[in-house]
Amino acid sequence: DQQVKQNSPSLSVQEGRISILNCDYTNSMFDYFLWYKKYPAEGPTFLISISSIKDKNEDGRFTVFLNKSAKHLSLHIVPSQPGDSAVYFCAASYSGGGADGLTFGKGTHLIIQP
Amino acid sequence: SAVISQKPSRDICQRGTSLTIQCQVDSQVTMMFWYRQQPGQSLTLIATANQGSEATYESGFVIDKFPISRPNLTFSTLTVSNMSPEDSSIYLCSASRDRVGELFFGEGSRLTVL
Repeated sequence: DQQVKQNSPSLSVQEGRISILNCDYTNSMFDYFLWYKKYPAEGPTFLISISSIKDKNEDGRFTVFLNKSAKHLSLHIVPSQPGDSAVYFCAASYSGGGADGLTFGKGTHLIIQP
Repeated sequence: SAVISQKPSRDICQRGTSLTIQCQVDSQVTMMFWYRQQPGQSLTLIATANQGSEATYESGFVIDKFPISRPNLTFSTLTVSNMSPEDSSIYLCSASRDRVGELFFGEGSRLTVL
């Protein structure tokens, strides 16, 4: 039973346009959400996060939106750049989880086309 | 942030053998975790490495198959025992300073079992 779902295995976007990556979750106890970016042969690196008390968090070109009622979050990248081509993982945790680490989705491979 | 080094970065192993992966963090961290990423799958938490005590394993993972050590706050090892081709995967060490905060990842160890 996958608690964090990224239903798009891949996404292709033209350089300069907006990239929107989606993530759905089923566990209503999750209260903290993160996005990670992973290049080939490297470990994932933290990109941006959002607490469930917010519905938006922005950091430069990256914005994460959270819709708790729909159990849905999205990552917007604007404008998209060639260096954004990577696999993006959505992850979730809950404050009561303590030492349980994060629950990850399967990832979306973002391809930025010139 | 924290810099995490893993070795080996990759290895090809024979069925029935065991391999130990080492993880070194450049500074003291509260939590250390071991994840597995099988081809086309999400990052799956194997266990939390507890300093000075037995690791806490997730459902589906057992100590006999994946013994873990954490002798201090900056070092951990994961052993994949009695390997089979199904164990071919990327194994990732991660660390956190917060109970629910972001994780830092090593570059991963890619194991191929023949």
